[in-house]
Amino acid sequence: EAGVAQSPRYKIIEKRQSVAFWCNPISGHATLYWYQQILGQGPKLLIQFQNNGVVDDSQLPKDRFSAERLKGVDSTLKIQPAKLEDSAVYLCASSLVGGRLAGANVLTFGAGSRLTVL
Amino acid sequence: DQQVKQNSPSLSVQEGRISILNCDYTNSMFDYFLWYKKYPAEGPTFLISISSIKDKNEDGRFTVFLNKSAKHLSLHIVPSQPGDSAVYFCAASHTGGGNKLTFGTGTQLKVEL
Repeated sequence: EAGVAQSPRYKIIEKRQSVAFWCNPISGHATLYWYQQILGQGPKLLIQFQNNGVVDDSQLPKDRFSAERLKGVDSTLKIQPAKLEDSAVYLCASSLVGGRLAGANVLTFGAGSRLTVL
Repeated sequence: DQQVKQNSPSLSVQEGRISILNCDYTNSMFDYFLWYKKYPAEGPTFLISISSIKDKNEDGRFTVFLNKSAKHLSLHIVPSQPGDSAVYFCAASHTGGGNKLTFGTGTQLKVEL
């Protein structure tokens, strides 16, 4: 099966500019996640979608970050305006199920989009 | 607040020997634990998992042990191979939390010839 697709793989912007990342999950996966991985740290969840609804966006800096998942398939993550501390790899992941079914939630990750903010 | 901790940033092991990667957690609500492996310029890939109702799960060369009372889990790789060289992330989730994963900071494993 095809994996999780992400683009662009690399992006360099100056602070205060905007950037958008795109993710196409595995076909049939209802749950989609955006994680931020800063160098030397583990991935941190930014937002979780179940179909096209938001399940958890408690760690999304909503003053500058936004995400949508129209039609419950692919998703975009936008940063506007970017700050130096947004330099990170943005990982998209998807899973078959989410919610209360323990043990069923193995996430499949894409290769990530590396953002450098100068 | 780091709820999942991997206190060893790096580990070096000789080929053929056992690799032991450790992980500690603080949230007693966690009931499912996973290990992911990450190569440079790739996303993390799922390796092995364990439910809190078990204390051991084995898959080929990989075994995960869970000690709930100590809030500690470990990943054993035996025998270690050069292709195992990667960053290993421990992750945890709990049923009431929508199954989102909380990751540790990772351990860089290097398997030397």
